[in-house]
Amino acid sequence: DVKVTQSSRYLVKRTGEKVFLECVQDMDHENMFWYRQDPGLGLRLIYFSYDVKMKEKGDIPEGYSVSREKKERFSLILESASTNQTSMYLCASSLFLTTDTQYFGPGTRLTVL
Amino acid sequence: GQQVMQIPQYQHVQEGEDFTTYCNSSTTLSNIQWYKQRPGGHPVFLIQLVKSGEVKKQKRLTFQFGEAKKNSSLHITATQTTDVGTYFCAGTGGTSYGKLTFGQGTILTVHP
Repeated sequence: DVKVTQSSRYLVKRTGEKVFLECVQDMDHENMFWYRQDPGLGLRLIYFSYDVKMKEKGDIPEGYSVSREKKERFSLILESASTNQTSMYLCASSLFLTTDTQYFGPGTRLTVL
Repeated sequence: GQQVMQIPQYQHVQEGEDFTTYCNSSTTLSNIQWYKQRPGGHPVFLIQLVKSGEVKKQKRLTFQFGEAKKNSSLHITATQTTDVGTYFCAGTGGTSYGKLTFGQGTILTVHP
């Protein structure tokens, strides 16, 4: 079974702090994704990566950056957290980019005060 | 950009009733996927549809992909309390190569 893990289930940070969210997958998947989930808005793609050191912007990349130094690890960085970044953050991975199942991690609920 | 609209946003049913959620895209899709998220959980893949007019069944769940590949539906027959959760459609296509665009989801509540 594919396992996608995220570093924290719950996180509370203050406005202006730099925040790192870590995601690790154990199935040697090429592709990894970061989404945020807000009520009534579904899942919105922030960034994705199709290879080590490669990244592509999703639909809402503003205020975020990502890092993929190793195939199994994909990090989401909030350079200066703001209250409107309070959300559930979900990481996912897939073997193929466009026609494959995405496997999701358990999510990190981030609160920015 | 590509938009995927899903209705209804909420649905309350009595156990045993049927349930349907609909998904409409602003552009033609290459494929559509359906996910289920249990309360407090994460989205879990249910199925993928690729062909125009395709219909797939999983026990009490029936998935359809429209002829024009711009809409899809999920129908659950005789709902059970275990069906509770949020159902998302997600599509790829057009200029959104490599990206799944998710609908807003339908939150299903099943009353025993």
